[in-house]
Amino acid sequence: NAGVTQTPKFQVLKTGQSMTLQCAQDMNHNSMYWYRQDPGMGLRLIYYSASEGTTDKGEVPNGYNVSRLNKREFSLRLESAAPSQTSVYFCASRDRGFYSNQPQHFGDGTRLSIL
Amino acid sequence: SQELEQSPQSLIVQEGKNLTINCTSSKTLYGLYWYKQKYGEGLIFLMMLQKGGEEKSHEKITAKLDEKKQQSSLHITASQPSHAGIYLCGADLNQAGTALIFGKGTTLSVSS
Repeated sequence: NAGVTQTPKFQVLKTGQSMTLQCAQDMNHNSMYWYRQDPGMGLRLIYYSASEGTTDKGEVPNGYNVSRLNKREFSLRLESAAPSQTSVYFCASRDRGFYSNQPQHFGDGTRLSIL
Repeated sequence: SQELEQSPQSLIVQEGKNLTINCTSSKTLYGLYWYKQKYGEGLIFLMMLQKGGEEKSHEKITAKLDEKKQQSSLHITASQPSHAGIYLCGADLNQAGTALIFGKGTTLSVSS
């Protein structure tokens, strides 16, 4: 029972390099999310996808792009990495409905360091 | 997010003692979620509250959502070292589920 799977778990980049963080869920959830977690800042939403085919900006979208490849997969891309993007990145998914929403399920995170 | 305030920021309790963590919003909450995170790991879902006055319990952890649906508390009875970690509250600020925010977390340490 995998749930939400994130790859890679760890990554070190040099400033200016690009990379894509992958996320896949096997729970048939309609909504998927990308967060970053920094000390003292809590979880901050980068982008989310309310349903397949749609994406929306969250609180801190600058420097990132996302792709909802299909219902299962939601990737986060850093086009030109900056030291300020050093963080732990979490992907989450949930079912969101008209009358009630379900809790998010989180992946184990990707620890990204940018030198 | 400053819209969801957690208190205290950190807490050290002796094993066996009770404790309470609060999560307060200035806006009506349409769903309130409690998570636990161990250092270096992902978030584990604990409980979800949706109705004003609702209370749920799991083992020694009880969560409540007040009648006005603007504050929730998480109460741990007879704390154990296994309860140590970071507790986060998350909330839906609208019924559509398109405005989901998190508090900054409460770090709990349990001394034996």
